[in-house]
Amino acid sequence: SQQGEEDPQALSIQEGENATMNCSYKTSINNLQWYRQNSGRGLVHLILIRSNEREKHSGRLRVTLDTSKKSSSLLITASRAADTASYFCATDANDYKLSFGAGTTVTVRA
Amino acid sequence: GAVVSQHPSRVICKSGTSVKIECRSLDFQATTMFWYRQFPKQSLMLMATSNEGSKATYEQGVEKDKFLINHASLTLSTLTVTSAHPEDSSFYICSARSQQGNNSPLHFGNGTRLTVT
Repeated sequence: SQQGEEDPQALSIQEGENATMNCSYKTSINNLQWYRQNSGRGLVHLILIRSNEREKHSGRLRVTLDTSKKSSSLLITASRAADTASYFCATDANDYKLSFGAGTTVTVRA
Repeated sequence: GAVVSQHPSRVICKSGTSVKIECRSLDFQATTMFWYRQFPKQSLMLMATSNEGSKATYEQGVEKDKFLINHASLTLSTLTVTSAHPEDSSFYICSARSQQGNNSPLHFGNGTRLTVT
């Protein structure tokens, strides 16, 4: 079942700006993952943060996790047109299955 | 990196016919694969967990006789949509983990766009 709720649903920014999106979830998790989906394609894994981690970086991506608030954020710095995609958070509640949020559609304007 | 290949990418079929979708792990073995369904501008909904050599585990509300899953080898899972109807039109995506343990990401196929006319 779908557990994550993402905010905002859609985001439009200028190239070079930062994009921030948030994810909230309901139950205890083992880890939280972020994925990107280009239109009509499968999902690409971006970053995984474990429940005992608070922040993680990967290139221009920065993910935070606050288990007390059951929330996570994904920051994309210095956005590029190629970052235009839908971004999904997914939670792993230690049952080997992932539950996906509703997604945030990001449009980066040149 | 781990690659999951899904075929076909698009299929159009007539109402009442069956459609088979293949999901292959190309460079790793997957004892478990996951099948998701995605409606336009919506999230992924897990349909079932495909287990090599045993029966698939279906999520609540998913008809196992409608969506037949076969996981005959460590690199291939198939989803057959039987007696397809227009409401089955959707984007179907498979995924698998290349590593044991749940602190590892899923690798996704590129999805299959099914249109039932």
